[in-house]
Amino acid sequence: GQSLEQPSEVTAVEGAIVQINCTYQTSGFYGLSWYQQHDGGAPTFLSYNALDGLEETGRFSSFLSRSDSYGYLLLQELQMKDSASYFCAVRPHGGGFKTIFGAGTRLFVKA
Amino acid sequence: DTEVTQTPKHLVMGMTNKKSLKCEQHMGHRAMYWYKQKAKKPPELMFVYSYEKLSINESVPSRFSPECPNSSLLNLHLHALQPEDSALYLCASSPSGGETQYFGPGTRLLVL
Repeated sequence: GQSLEQPSEVTAVEGAIVQINCTYQTSGFYGLSWYQQHDGGAPTFLSYNALDGLEETGRFSSFLSRSDSYGYLLLQELQMKDSASYFCAVRPHGGGFKTIFGAGTRLFVKA
Repeated sequence: DTEVTQTPKHLVMGMTNKKSLKCEQHMGHRAMYWYKQKAKKPPELMFVYSYEKLSINESVPSRFSPECPNSSLLNLHLHALQPEDSALYLCASSPSGGETQYFGPGTRLLVL
């Protein structure tokens, strides 16, 4: 089977750094994507790792290690507006355009 | 134009009604998706169209009927829905592969 596991909730303070982990069990996939979704809104694409290593996009970075079946999203200089749900997602080999999402992590940023 | 649009934003329908959800993108993306999302849950894939052909149907009940009239448009026809079908219906598109998906704002559906 294929599954992605994320912590259900994370709380951090404004200005801090937070890491949201995603561990997976899947036979093979093309890469690891991350999406942000605010309450009442739609998911928006944040980052994609096709290869192992770190990808940096402004305050957000994402990391993938296929050998460890593990990835994470790193948010730096947290702002109140970063309070949202964060989903990791993969497109499995042999699944066409099918995408599997993790259950999501709700991030609460406190002042 | 870098957005996916969806209409209507909100929809209330009875169990005997027929309605349609519409989605449009003008980014030249060749894959388009319908997702269903319940509160505090991840998006749940329903259908994928690739190059205007239905490539994935995730065993969705026949009361949901997708249609892709052309490469920019995607419809979801609804008929005889159940109250448990109430959810946020999201449309998305991707340029290739599906690793980067662009979501529309969604249609919030309530079935009475």
